[in-house]
Amino acid sequence: SAVISQKPSRDICQRGTSLTIQCQVDSQVTMMFWYRQQPGQSLTLIATANQGSEATYESGFVIDKFPISRPNLTFSTLTVSNMSPEDSSIYLCSVEERQGFANEQFFGPGTRLTVL
Amino acid sequence: ILNVEQSPQSLHVQEGDSTNFTCSFPSSNFYALHWYRWETAKSPEALFVMTLNGDEKKKGRISATLNTKEGYSYLYIKGSQPEDSATYLCAFELYGQNFVFGPGTRLSVLP
Repeated sequence: SAVISQKPSRDICQRGTSLTIQCQVDSQVTMMFWYRQQPGQSLTLIATANQGSEATYESGFVIDKFPISRPNLTFSTLTVSNMSPEDSSIYLCSVEERQGFANEQFFGPGTRLTVL
Repeated sequence: ILNVEQSPQSLHVQEGDSTNFTCSFPSSNFYALHWYRWETAKSPEALFVMTLNGDEKKKGRISATLNTKEGYSYLYIKGSQPEDSATYLCAFELYGQNFVFGPGTRLSVLP
């Protein structure tokens, strides 16, 4: 299974600033996924990062707020722009691998963001 | 909008107790059901993936069952240990589509 690292592991940021989260995978993957979990909520998919094309955003998420880069097959970044306290969440990146009949998601350790 | 529910939201058990919790999901367009264990400051860890109605999976003291017709899965932990303390997530997978996660059940095992 893929091994995924994320940086930073946590941060405390001021309202109106931006934070870029990095995700590194130990193998080449076609798609990488960015999730967030707000306090008390479900893990929610923000976007799918495809190498060589623009990211695909889920309903409720836009590129201006969450720009994503995918420069190669092992790396991606997610930026949380113009932050507000509502952006306080755990942000996770993941990759997907085929496991028999179904797919399996493998996650990084997450970035815990607090916005003051 | 697909909705995956988990209950209870949280629970506390004593070391040695057995416990179980529930994941409810839509019974139509089912493809697979996933369980994850997520310890604080660590990556969510895949426990089980189940695809067939009636599936039962086991890993050590943890087991899971699946009922796709009525849209639920149970996760059981036998003889809970403090190291079992974590948030347990289930995720519903539709064919060719993204995972839909439940909000999780936060388990605390008291020594």
